[in-house]
Formats: sequence, C-alpha cells, structure tokens
Amino acid sequence: QSVLTQPPSVSAAPGQKVTISCSGSSSNIGKNFVSWYQQLPGTAPKLLIYDNNKRPSGIPARFSGSKSGTSATLGITGLQNGDEADYYCGTWDTSLSAQVFGGGTKLTVL
Amino acid sequence: EVQLVESGGGLVQPGRSLRLSCAASGFTFDDYAMHWVRQAPGKGLEWVSGIDWDSDNIDYVASVKGRFTISRDNAKNSLYLQMNSLRAEDTALYYCARSQFGGVKRPFDYWGQGTLVTVSS
Repeated sequence: QSVLTQPPSVSAAPGQKVTISCSGSSSNIGKNFVSWYQQLPGTAPKLLIYDNNKRPSGIPARFSGSKSGTSATLGITGLQNGDEADYYCGTWDTSLSAQVFGGGTKLTVL
Repeated sequence: EVQLVESGGGLVQPGRSLRLSCAASGFTFDDYAMHWVRQAPGKGLEWVSGIDWDSDNIDYVASVKGRFTISRDNAKNSLYLQMNSLRAEDTALYYCARSQFGGVKRPFDYWGQGTLVTVSS
C-alpha cells in the first residue's frame, strides 16, 4: 500500500488532455514539494516536474503540475503516442523521514 | 554528462548478503545526496535509502532498517548498499538516483539503469 494514492490507469485520445491525481496527507504533500516521474516501458524513471510545478530543462510545456492542500495533479496536453508510460508522484514525508511515491498511473493513449 | 552505473546484483539465497555499488561520473559527487530506489517486477517505485553528501544524514524505509546499510566514498565517486538477511520480498531492480542539489529531501533528477537482485532458493 503506497503512502500516496494515484489512480491505477487513465486514458485519452491523441491530442487530448489528461490529468493524473495524487493524494497524500498533512505529513507529506501538505508540508513538502511534489515531484512527478515518467517511466517509459523498460527504462529508468525520468524527472518530469519538481517543486509542484517546475519543469527540468528539456521537458515540454505540455507537462504541468499543480498542488492544493494535500493533493497534487499532473496535467498533460496534446497527448502523443510517445507519452504512453507509467507516471509516479513523489514527495518527502516528514513523519516517516522518508521519500514516498504513489503507486503509479498507467497512461494509455487510445 | 551525468552517469550512474549500478553493479553487484544477482541471484542470492534468502538470508544471505549482497553489496550493490553505483559509480557516478559527470558531476561533483560530493555536492549531492544520493539514494537507492527499487522496483519489484511489475510493481511501482519504492524508495529504499538516502544519504547526504557528507554521510551525516541517512534514512531508510522501515522494511529494510537494521538489514541494509547505505554508504558512500566521495573519493571514489561511489555509492553502496550493503544488504544483509535478504528476503524474497527484496527481489527488485535497484536504481541508484541523485537528488537535486539541496539534500536528501530533494527529488531525483538522475537515475541509473538499475541492477537486478533476485532472492530465491
């Protein structure tokens, strides 16, 4: 059972927009920044969003992040076939003194 | 170019030990906190342990406390994970990951390709 809760799967057609939610608590998302990772099949995870809504160099503006209270959301616009991947949210949990992840969300581009 | 290359994985019997290594290059190793993150077959990501730049701040996930020990050698640009009393549930692909500048609480901006640990009799 993951500390952060994500939907197991989401899907949308190419060109459409999709959002992925991440729910936590006052000891993790409520107190700390949220990051998002993309894991393409058979590859290592890649940092997509950090500090709730910042994009590392090279990440397209189609990817966005937001946070409100104890929840966070990843948004992807202009969906492409290459966006099919597993997406994970992560943050620091102050009570656990540990990095924590969500269980992951599989994005299918129909 | 930042590179993280893990090694040391393999097949090991329950109760035995294994030591993973991560060779880092392309950045000033002793400026950054480092971590081990694992992924069981077909499952999600699980953070295992993190260590600050000077080894002063070390944390573990509860399930490995007392069995695993993280360490680093800044002179050799290397990160290690000593895994003792291994269990079947420790079977996973183990990734070495770097925190963004700022300590163990920062997100992971670079990842290795992982080394597979299989615990089975």
